[in-house]
Amino acid sequence: QSVLTQPPSASGTPGQRVTISCSGSSSNIGRNYVYWYQHLPGTAPKLLIYWNNQRPSGVPDRFSGSKSGTSASLAISGLRSEDEAHYYCAGWDGSLSGVVFGGGTKLTVL
Amino acid sequence: EVQLVESGGGLVQPGGSLRLSCAASGFTFSSYWMSWVRQAPGKGLEWVANINQDRSQKYYVDSLKGRFTISRDNAKNSLYLQMNSLRAEDTAVYYCASGISWEPYFQQWGQGTLVTVSS
Repeated sequence: QSVLTQPPSASGTPGQRVTISCSGSSSNIGRNYVYWYQHLPGTAPKLLIYWNNQRPSGVPDRFSGSKSGTSASLAISGLRSEDEAHYYCAGWDGSLSGVVFGGGTKLTVL
Repeated sequence: EVQLVESGGGLVQPGGSLRLSCAASGFTFSSYWMSWVRQAPGKGLEWVANINQDRSQKYYVDSLKGRFTISRDNAKNSLYLQMNSLRAEDTAVYYCASGISWEPYFQQWGQGTLVTVSS
């Protein structure tokens, strides 16, 4: 059971907009930044979003992040086949004094 | 080119020990927090531990405290993970990652090294 809760799966068709949710608590998302990672099998995870809604250089603006209270979301617009991957939210948990990841969401592009 | 290269993985028997290494290049290693993150087969990402620039701060996931030890040698641009009393459930790909703080702002990751705990 992960400290941050994500839906196990999500799907969409090319061109659609999909959102992936991440639910936490006051000790993690509620008072700290949220980060999002994309992970393809056999590769290193890739930082998609940092500080709730900031994109590293090179990440397309189709990816966006938001946070409200103890929940966060990753939105992917203009869905492409290459977006099919696992997506993880992460953050610092002050009560645990450690980094926590969501369980991951497998995104399927139909 | 910024690079993190893990090594030291392999097959180890339950109860055994293993030391993973992560060699950094292409950036000022001593200026960054470093972390270990693992992924067990068929499972999600799990943060293991992190360490600050001067080794004065170390954090571990509660479930691994006492068995795993993170360390670094800035002179060698290297990060380490000493793993003792290994269990089958420690079987995973272990990644090292760099960040600017204790938070999971992991800008750079290694390719991972596989640890298999089995008799």
